[in-house]
Amino acid sequence: AQKVTQAQTEISVVEKEDVTLDCVYETRDTTYYLFWYKQPPSGELVFLIRRNSFDEQNEISGRYSWNFQKSTSSFNFTITASQVVDSAVYFCALKMDSSYKLIFGSGTRLLVRP
Amino acid sequence: DGGITQSPKYLFRKEGQNVTLSCEQNLNHDAMYWYRQDPGQGLRLIYYSQIVNDFQKGDIAEGYSVSREKKESFPLTVTSAQKNPTAFYLCASSAAGSSRRETQYFGPGTRLLVL
Repeated sequence: AQKVTQAQTEISVVEKEDVTLDCVYETRDTTYYLFWYKQPPSGELVFLIRRNSFDEQNEISGRYSWNFQKSTSSFNFTITASQVVDSAVYFCALKMDSSYKLIFGSGTRLLVRP
Repeated sequence: DGGITQSPKYLFRKEGQNVTLSCEQNLNHDAMYWYRQDPGQGLRLIYYSQIVNDFQKGDIAEGYSVSREKKESFPLTVTSAQKNPTAFYLCASSAAGSSRRETQYFGPGTRLLVL
């Protein structure tokens, strides 16, 4: 069975703190894709990053970085020097190459306090 | 500006009524999707379409229907058979219908409430 687990339901940090959002996935497929989406209070899902199963390179984009480790089936997301505008619900998602659907975790609500 | 639009932003349904949610995209994407989001949960796939005049059921298609007469449009009808329709509905699209590796981009969503 395919599954995505985001064990942290809610995280609260003070502005400028670093924060890591955890994502653990399960699949037996060898080719799959992992995603992170941000859902601000407006509701729209904003695409942040996609990683292919055959590419374990970590990625940094400004204050955002992602750590993909196949050995632990994890795809964690770190925000450095968090800002109030980072407050949102963050979803990790999995898509197998054999399927069209995204399998979402239940999301992590991040609150960044001034 | 390219993007996905959904209307209305809020929709109220009476008992026994069918309602239709609109989704339009001008990204020239082949594939379109409908997801449902319940409070505190992730999204679940209702229907998807890889190409015009073709669509497939997702995990929770019961009580819903769709059509895909035009590439840019994928309306979702919530029928009276859907007993618990209150949710946030998100439409998405991706570039190549035949390729499963394309990233899905989402619209702003429609919040459906039952009166």
